[in-house]
Amino acid sequence: QKEVEQNSGPLSVPEGAIASLNCTYSDRGSQSFFWYRQYSGKSPELIMFIYSNGDKEDGRFTAQLNKASQYVSLLIRDSQPSDSATYLCASEPAGNKLTFGGGTRVLVKP
Amino acid sequence: EPEVTQTPSHQVTQMGQEVILRCVPISNHLYFYWYRQILGQKVEFLVSFYNNEISEKSEIFDDQFSVERPDGSNFTLKIRSTKLEDSAMYFCASYQLPRAFPDGGYTFGSGTRLTVV
Repeated sequence: QKEVEQNSGPLSVPEGAIASLNCTYSDRGSQSFFWYRQYSGKSPELIMFIYSNGDKEDGRFTAQLNKASQYVSLLIRDSQPSDSATYLCASEPAGNKLTFGGGTRVLVKP
Repeated sequence: EPEVTQTPSHQVTQMGQEVILRCVPISNHLYFYWYRQILGQKVEFLVSFYNNEISEKSEIFDDQFSVERPDGSNFTLKIRSTKLEDSAMYFCASYQLPRAFPDGGYTFGSGTRLTVV
């Protein structure tokens, strides 16, 4: 069973602080990874897509991929109350589909 | 920006009834998907569809489920005889080839909340 694992949280961070989210995956064949933000009752919204080892930055978000250790992380800098949501990590094993983790709930407190 | 459109946004049905969930993928996308998310649980892959046939399906996608692309635009998921445990959000997604950067190629619809009573 190919799994993607995340800490369910909630991860509580003060406004303006850095939120750090982690994700591990079991399928070494996975090459691409995604971070989605999901508000309650809504569809996943893409935050980051990463496929190379190392860091990728986009605005306040930085994704880091380490294929040797099979983990992906997401940093949210200068966290805002609007960042309060569930963050889903997904891998793309062979076959053009996504395998999702259970998500980490983030609460940003003003 | 192109969108994946799903209808209806919310459907309530009685147990044992058939439901059809509809999706209009992005026109130049080639792969189409259905995912399911039971309340409080992870998003789960149901089925992928390419070149007018199922390319892969999960163990969830049993004989009660079917997919169809009845015309050039719509992509439907049918559940023949709904059960209480089919209550979930159902998301349609489409995928572009070659992969679109920087977004990775997948676009999700806004979902249909199915409630089976």
